[in-house]
Amino acid sequence: QQQVKQSPQSLIVQKGGIPIINCAYENTAFDYFPWYQQFPGKGPALLIAIRPDVSEKKEGRFTISFNKSAKQFSLHIMDSQPGDSATYFCAASYRSGGYQKVTFGTGTKLQVIP
Amino acid sequence: DAMVIQNPRYQVTQFGKPVTLSCSQTLNHNVMYWYQQKSSQAPKLLFHYYDKDFNNEADTPDNFQSRRPNTSFCFLDIRSPGLGDAAMYLCATSGDLNTEAFFGQGTRLTVV
Repeated sequence: QQQVKQSPQSLIVQKGGIPIINCAYENTAFDYFPWYQQFPGKGPALLIAIRPDVSEKKEGRFTISFNKSAKQFSLHIMDSQPGDSATYFCAASYRSGGYQKVTFGTGTKLQVIP
Repeated sequence: DAMVIQNPRYQVTQFGKPVTLSCSQTLNHNVMYWYQQKSSQAPKLLFHYYDKDFNNEADTPDNFQSRRPNTSFCFLDIRSPGLGDAAMYLCATSGDLNTEAFFGQGTRLTVV
C-alpha cells in the first residue's frame, strides 16, 4: 500500500515535445506529492509539488495534474528542451510522528533530443 | 549557497573496511535522512533523525549505523561494506514547517 507506481521507465521526445510521466498510488494517507528532477551524479532536486485539494499546478513549463478519485497524478513538461534530460521521480508523502515519510516512484529517464 | 553538503563526493573503500560518510546542513532543519540509491533505482530510505531521535527502517541492515552529534551534522557509518553496498548515498533534510525534503549532492561509494 506504500507503493507509488511510475511509468514509463524511459522516454525519448524531440525538442519542443510534451513528455508526460504518470504515477499512481494506493495509500489515501498521502497528502503531498512532489516531483524530483535528478541529473547524473547529483542529488534529487524538488521540481514542483501538489496537494490533493488541487487538481492542477503549473510552474513555468512544468505542470502537475492530479486526479484524487483515481489516485493518479502526472507531470507534463511543455516545450521540452535538451537541458530537461534527466531522471524524474514522483513521490508521495505524509506526516508521521513529526517527519515526512516519503515514498518514491521508480523513476523515468527522459531524453530530449535536439 | 549549498544547503545540504555531503562529503566526500566520491569514496572508495575496501571490502570489509569501515567507512563514514558525512552530511552537514545550514537550514537548521530538525529532520535528517539517509537514503541509499543504486543505479537506475529510486532512493531507498535507510533511517532518519527527528532531532536526536533515531528511527531505523525495518529493512535497513545492521551493517548501517548513524550518528547525529548536533543539529547540523549527521554521519552514516558502514561497519563492514560489501560489494552490494556500492551505491549513491543521499542525505536530505526537512523541517517542522516543511513538507519537502532538500537533498545533498550525494556520495558515490565504490567498494573494491
